[in-house]
Amino acid sequence: NAGVTQTPKFQVLKTGQSMTLQCAQDMNHEYMSWYRQDPGMGLRLIHYSVGAGITDQGEVPNGYNVSRSTTEDFPLRLLSAAPSQTSVYFCASSYFRTGTSSYEQYFGPGTRLTVT
Amino acid sequence: AQKITQTQPGMFVQEKEAVTLDCTYDTSDPSYGLFWYKQPSSGEMIFLIYQGSYDQQNATEGRYSLNFQKARKSANLVISASQLGDSAMYFCAMRGAGRRALTFGSGTRLQVQP
Repeated sequence: NAGVTQTPKFQVLKTGQSMTLQCAQDMNHEYMSWYRQDPGMGLRLIHYSVGAGITDQGEVPNGYNVSRSTTEDFPLRLLSAAPSQTSVYFCASSYFRTGTSSYEQYFGPGTRLTVT
Repeated sequence: AQKITQTQPGMFVQEKEAVTLDCTYDTSDPSYGLFWYKQPSSGEMIFLIYQGSYDQQNATEGRYSLNFQKARKSANLVISASQLGDSAMYFCAMRGAGRRALTFGSGTRLQVQP
């Protein structure tokens, strides 16, 4: 019963390096999203996807790219890492329960990224 | 635009007592959903409870209940019979009608004292 998985759990980058944070879900959910959480703050939306091939920007998209080639995977790419991107990154998948107003969103365990 | 406001940075409660965590929201969407998540020190986000804007009754999940007052745009979380394991950060969040993702408040740190 995997749910939402994220890799790696921890990562240290030097300024200017690029990397991809991986996210996968096995619940066949349409919606997936990436958030970042800075110390002492709530989560802020980076990018989201409403289905394979469809992505859009959230509140803080600069410096990040996403793509959604399959329903299961939603990787987040840091193009040129900066110290301001030091944060904890959460991936989430979500769906509406048909015929009700119920909406469920599940989070992955997070990736703690430090950029030096 | 949507906004979630949590005005209590930190709260203390005695074990076995009830506690209310405040959340107010602002949205122009006629249909929306409100969520509460718990984040313990280990860092994961744990879903607690959900309230749809058209739901007639307040949501309840075990010891958690959501006091939804639509006219006042508030969605307070009530935890009954607090336990030491309830010590954590608590986040209120909202989903708008666009079905995209969630907007989060800044959180309330709850500490349960024995």
